[in-house]
Amino acid sequence: EAGVTQFPSHSVIEKGQTVTLRCDPISGHDNLYWYRRVMGKEIKFLLHFVKESKQDESGMPNNRFLAERTGGTYSTLKVQPAELEDSGVYFCASSLIGQYNEQFFGPGTRLTVL
Amino acid sequence: DQQVKQNSPSLSVQEGRISILNCDYTNSMFDYFLWYKKYPAEGPTFLISISSIKDKNEDGRFTVFLNKSAKHLSLHIVPSQPGDSAVYFCAARALNAGNNRKLIWGLGTSLAVNP
Repeated sequence: EAGVTQFPSHSVIEKGQTVTLRCDPISGHDNLYWYRRVMGKEIKFLLHFVKESKQDESGMPNNRFLAERTGGTYSTLKVQPAELEDSGVYFCASSLIGQYNEQFFGPGTRLTVL
Repeated sequence: DQQVKQNSPSLSVQEGRISILNCDYTNSMFDYFLWYKKYPAEGPTFLISISSIKDKNEDGRFTVFLNKSAKHLSLHIVPSQPGDSAVYFCAARALNAGNNRKLIWGLGTSLAVNP
């Protein structure tokens, strides 16, 4: 069974540009999460989808970040315009519905904003 | 202000000995705790979890202990193996917060198991 996949693995862009990250969850996982780890800091929650609906977006830093999950399958996270402080590793995770189901993580996308 | 704290950035242990990784939390609403393991260039991988109604959970070489009154948990790995060398993250969740499933993470502890 394929795990969570993320694309691209690395992205280097200049300040002010736009970047779109993609996440494909494990098939059948209705829960999809985005997290971010900035260098030297802890992994931080960004948002949580249940199918195509945003269940919790309390961690989104500001309105430069837009997440979508059309059709309840893959998700995209767009940063527009990117700022220097957006640099970090963006992780996507997915899980089955249910309180105790573990979250399976993708390998992450390393974003560098110059 | 960090709600989940892993105060040891690194730990070095001899192969075959016990590794003990510690985690403290401040939020009394947390009632489910997880340990994840992470290798370089990979995402975190779930290792073991514990609900607040228990004080111990064991899975093979891995045991997690929870002390609710002290708001402290620890992960024991015995015997430690070189393949266990990785960064270990402690994470917590408030299960009773409706459909809230977000994990709150510690900074991680880098474990090195020496042959």
